[in-house]
Amino acid sequence: DAGVIQSPRHEVTEMGQEVTLRCKPISGHNSLFWYRQTMMRGLELLIYFNNNVPIDDSGMPEDRFSAKMPNASFSTLKIQPSEPRDSAVYFCASCPGGLNNEQFFGPGTRLTVL
Amino acid sequence: QKEVEQDPGPLSVPEGAIVSLNCTYSNSAFQYFMWYRQYSRKGPELLMYTYSSGNKEDGRFTAQVDKSSKYISLFIRDSQPSDSATYLCAMSVDSNYQLIWGAGTKLIIKP
Repeated sequence: DAGVIQSPRHEVTEMGQEVTLRCKPISGHNSLFWYRQTMMRGLELLIYFNNNVPIDDSGMPEDRFSAKMPNASFSTLKIQPSEPRDSAVYFCASCPGGLNNEQFFGPGTRLTVL
Repeated sequence: QKEVEQDPGPLSVPEGAIVSLNCTYSNSAFQYFMWYRQYSRKGPELLMYTYSSGNKEDGRFTAQVDKSSKYISLFIRDSQPSDSATYLCAMSVDSNYQLIWGAGTKLIIKP
Protein backbone atom coordinates (compact mmCIF):
# COMPACT_ATOMS: atom_id res chain seq x y z
CA ASP A 1 0.00 0.00 0.00
CA ALA A 2 1.21 3.52 -0.80
CA GLY A 3 0.21 4.86 2.58
CA VAL A 4 -1.88 7.96 3.13
CA ILE A 5 -1.70 10.25 0.11
CA GLN A 6 -2.16 14.00 0.37
CA SER A 7 -2.25 16.65 -2.31
CA PRO A 8 -0.99 19.19 -2.96
CA ARG A 9 2.25 18.93 -0.96
CA HIS A 10 2.70 22.70 -1.02
CA GLU A 11 0.17 25.45 -1.57
CA VAL A 12 0.80 29.17 -1.69
CA THR A 13 -2.25 31.36 -2.05
CA GLU A 14 -3.42 34.88 -1.39
CA MET A 15 -5.69 35.94 1.41
CA GLY A 16 -9.34 35.51 0.48
CA GLN A 17 -8.81 32.65 -1.93
CA GLU A 18 -10.39 29.24 -1.55
CA VAL A 19 -8.06 26.38 -0.67
CA THR A 20 -8.88 22.69 -1.03
CA LEU A 21 -6.69 20.00 0.48
CA ARG A 22 -7.14 16.39 -0.51
CA CYS A 23 -6.53 13.07 1.20
CA LYS A 24 -6.68 9.41 0.20
CA PRO A 25 -6.58 7.16 3.29
CA ILE A 26 -5.12 3.68 3.43
CA SER A 27 -7.52 1.17 1.95
CA GLY A 28 -9.53 -0.65 4.62
CA HIS A 29 -9.06 1.97 7.30
CA ASN A 30 -12.36 3.18 8.70
CA SER A 31 -11.30 6.36 10.53
CA LEU A 32 -9.82 9.51 9.04
CA PHE A 33 -8.42 12.55 10.84
CA TRP A 34 -7.47 16.04 9.72
CA TYR A 35 -4.83 17.83 11.81
CA ARG A 36 -3.13 21.21 11.67
CA GLN A 37 0.41 21.67 12.95
CA THR A 38 2.11 24.97 13.81
CA MET A 39 5.13 25.85 15.91
CA MET A 40 2.95 27.80 18.32
CA ARG A 41 0.14 25.31 18.91
CA GLY A 42 1.63 21.96 17.92
CA LEU A 43 -0.62 19.26 16.46
CA GLU A 44 -4.31 20.14 16.62
CA LEU A 45 -7.13 17.81 15.66
CA LEU A 46 -9.58 19.60 13.37
CA ILE A 47 -12.10 16.86 12.58
CA TYR A 48 -12.38 13.12 12.40
CA PHE A 49 -14.59 10.75 10.46
CA ASN A 50 -15.61 7.20 11.25
CA ASN A 51 -17.00 5.16 8.35
CA ASN A 52 -17.23 8.40 6.31
CA VAL A 53 -19.39 10.12 8.96
CA PRO A 54 -18.05 13.21 10.78
CA ILE A 55 -17.88 12.30 14.48
CA ASP A 56 -16.18 15.28 16.08
CA ASP A 57 -15.63 18.63 14.37
CA SER A 58 -15.15 20.65 17.54
CA GLY A 59 -11.57 21.43 16.50
CA MET A 60 -12.59 23.18 13.30
CA PRO A 61 -11.54 26.81 13.95
CA GLU A 62 -14.55 28.54 12.39
CA ASP A 63 -17.10 28.40 9.60
CA ARG A 64 -14.44 29.14 7.02
CA PHE A 65 -13.29 25.54 7.43
CA SER A 66 -15.28 22.60 6.09
CA ALA A 67 -14.47 18.93 5.53
CA LYS A 68 -16.15 16.18 3.57
CA MET A 69 -15.68 12.48 3.11
CA PRO A 70 -17.92 11.43 0.21
CA ASN A 71 -16.57 7.86 0.20
CA ALA A 72 -14.12 5.62 2.02
CA SER A 73 -11.21 6.53 -0.24
CA PHE A 74 -11.35 10.31 -0.39
CA SER A 75 -11.65 13.33 1.86
CA THR A 76 -11.27 17.09 1.40
CA LEU A 77 -10.59 19.98 3.75
CA LYS A 78 -11.67 23.34 2.39
CA ILE A 79 -10.84 26.82 3.66
CA GLN A 80 -12.91 29.64 2.23
CA PRO A 81 -11.89 32.43 2.46
CA SER A 82 -8.31 31.75 3.52
CA GLU A 83 -6.43 34.06 5.92
CA PRO A 84 -2.70 34.42 6.73
CA ARG A 85 -3.27 32.84 10.16
CA ASP A 86 -4.33 29.62 8.39
CA SER A 87 -0.71 29.11 7.30
CA ALA A 88 0.36 25.75 8.72
CA VAL A 89 1.07 22.15 7.79
CA TYR A 90 -2.13 20.17 7.41
CA PHE A 91 -1.94 16.42 7.97
CA CYS A 92 -4.40 13.72 7.13
CA ALA A 93 -4.20 10.44 9.05
CA SER A 94 -6.13 7.19 8.83
CA CYS A 95 -6.66 4.42 11.35
CA PRO A 96 -7.72 0.78 10.96
CA GLY A 97 -10.24 1.06 13.79
CA GLY A 98 -11.49 -1.69 16.05
CA LEU A 99 -8.86 -2.58 18.64
CA ASN A 100 -6.12 -0.88 16.65
CA ASN A 101 -6.05 2.90 17.03
CA GLU A 102 -2.63 3.50 15.52
CA GLN A 103 -2.84 6.51 13.22
CA PHE A 104 -0.95 6.51 9.93
CA PHE A 105 -0.07 9.99 8.74
CA GLY A 106 0.31 11.37 5.26
CA PRO A 107 3.22 13.62 4.28
CA GLY A 108 1.23 16.78 4.93
CA THR A 109 0.31 19.86 2.90
CA ARG A 110 2.33 22.98 3.70
CA LEU A 111 -0.06 25.91 3.27
CA THR A 112 1.11 29.51 3.02
CA VAL A 113 -1.49 32.24 2.83
CA LEU A 114 -0.02 35.62 1.84
CA GLN B 1 -3.95 23.11 32.12
CA LYS B 2 -3.59 20.84 29.11
CA GLU B 3 -4.59 17.19 29.38
CA VAL B 4 -1.12 16.14 28.24
CA GLU B 5 2.02 18.13 29.07
CA GLN B 6 5.30 17.69 27.23
CA ASP B 7 8.41 19.88 27.31
CA PRO B 8 9.01 21.17 23.76
CA GLY B 9 12.80 21.33 24.24
CA PRO B 10 15.00 21.37 22.29
CA LEU B 11 16.95 18.65 24.06
CA SER B 12 20.52 18.36 22.81
CA VAL B 13 22.72 15.40 23.80
CA PRO B 14 25.95 13.85 22.50
CA GLU B 15 25.90 10.72 20.37
CA GLY B 16 25.85 7.55 22.46
CA ALA B 17 24.05 9.13 25.42
CA ILE B 18 20.89 7.74 27.00
CA VAL B 19 17.94 9.99 26.26
CA SER B 20 14.87 10.31 28.47
CA LEU B 21 11.70 11.92 27.08
CA ASN B 22 8.64 12.41 29.26
CA CYS B 23 4.96 13.33 29.31
CA THR B 24 2.59 13.91 32.17
CA TYR B 25 -1.18 13.73 31.93
CA SER B 26 -4.22 14.56 34.02
CA ASN B 27 -6.89 12.11 32.84
CA SER B 28 -6.66 8.90 34.87
CA ALA B 29 -8.90 7.14 32.32
CA PHE B 30 -6.14 7.01 29.70
CA GLN B 31 -5.28 3.39 28.90
CA TYR B 32 -3.43 3.51 25.57
CA PHE B 33 -0.10 5.30 25.33
CA MET B 34 1.92 5.94 22.20
CA TRP B 35 5.14 7.60 21.15
CA TYR B 36 5.38 8.99 17.63
CA ARG B 37 8.54 10.21 15.94
CA GLN B 38 8.41 13.05 13.42
CA TYR B 39 11.34 13.90 11.19
CA SER B 40 11.58 17.39 9.74
CA ARG B 41 9.03 17.99 6.98
CA LYS B 42 7.45 14.55 7.44
CA GLY B 43 4.33 13.22 9.11
CA PRO B 44 4.52 11.56 12.54
CA GLU B 45 5.02 7.79 12.59
CA LEU B 46 4.32 5.37 15.41
CA LEU B 47 7.39 4.34 17.37
CA MET B 48 6.07 2.62 20.51
CA TYR B 49 2.63 1.54 21.72
CA THR B 50 1.80 0.53 25.29
CA TYR B 51 -1.44 -0.57 26.87
CA SER B 52 -1.96 0.30 30.56
CA SER B 53 1.06 0.26 32.88
CA GLY B 54 4.49 -1.28 32.57
CA ASN B 55 7.47 -1.30 30.27
CA LYS B 56 7.88 -2.19 26.64
CA GLU B 57 11.21 -2.61 24.91
CA ASP B 58 12.02 -2.54 21.19
CA GLY B 59 15.69 -2.49 20.30
CA ARG B 60 17.25 0.69 21.66
CA PHE B 61 13.85 2.09 22.68
CA THR B 62 11.99 1.51 25.96
CA ALA B 63 8.56 2.93 26.76
CA GLN B 64 7.50 3.16 30.38
CA VAL B 65 4.08 3.96 31.82
CA ASP B 66 3.47 4.86 35.47
CA LYS B 67 -0.28 5.27 35.85
CA SER B 68 -0.08 6.01 39.57
CA SER B 69 2.01 9.11 38.80
CA LYS B 70 0.30 9.82 35.46
CA TYR B 71 3.71 9.86 33.83
CA ILE B 72 5.09 8.20 30.72
CA SER B 73 8.66 8.02 29.46
CA LEU B 74 10.57 7.04 26.36
CA PHE B 75 14.20 6.01 26.77
CA ILE B 76 16.63 5.83 23.88
CA ARG B 77 19.89 3.95 24.49
CA ASP B 78 23.06 4.51 22.46
CA SER B 79 21.50 7.52 20.77
CA GLN B 80 22.42 8.16 17.14
CA PRO B 81 22.33 11.33 15.00
CA SER B 82 19.54 9.62 13.02
CA ASP B 83 17.41 9.75 16.19
CA SER B 84 17.27 13.54 15.85
CA ALA B 85 13.58 14.30 15.42
CA THR B 86 10.55 15.54 17.31
CA TYR B 87 8.98 12.96 19.63
CA LEU B 88 5.28 13.28 20.38
CA CYS B 89 3.42 11.37 23.05
CA ALA B 90 -0.24 10.53 22.48
CA MET B 91 -2.80 8.74 24.58
CA SER B 92 -6.43 7.68 24.56
CA VAL B 93 -9.14 6.34 26.82
CA ASP B 94 -9.93 3.33 24.66
CA SER B 95 -9.04 1.91 21.29
CA ASN B 96 -11.97 3.59 19.57
CA TYR B 97 -11.32 7.03 20.92
CA GLN B 98 -9.34 9.87 19.40
CA LEU B 99 -5.79 10.48 20.55
CA ILE B 100 -4.81 13.34 22.84
CA TRP B 101 -1.39 14.68 21.83
CA GLY B 102 1.53 16.24 23.66
CA ALA B 103 3.27 19.27 22.15
CA GLY B 104 6.30 17.21 21.07
CA THR B 105 9.94 17.39 22.23
CA LYS B 106 12.59 18.28 19.68
CA LEU B 107 15.63 16.03 20.17
CA ILE B 108 19.04 16.80 18.71
CA ILE B 109 21.81 14.17 18.83
CA LYS B 110 25.22 15.72 18.24
CA PRO B 111 27.83 13.56 16.46
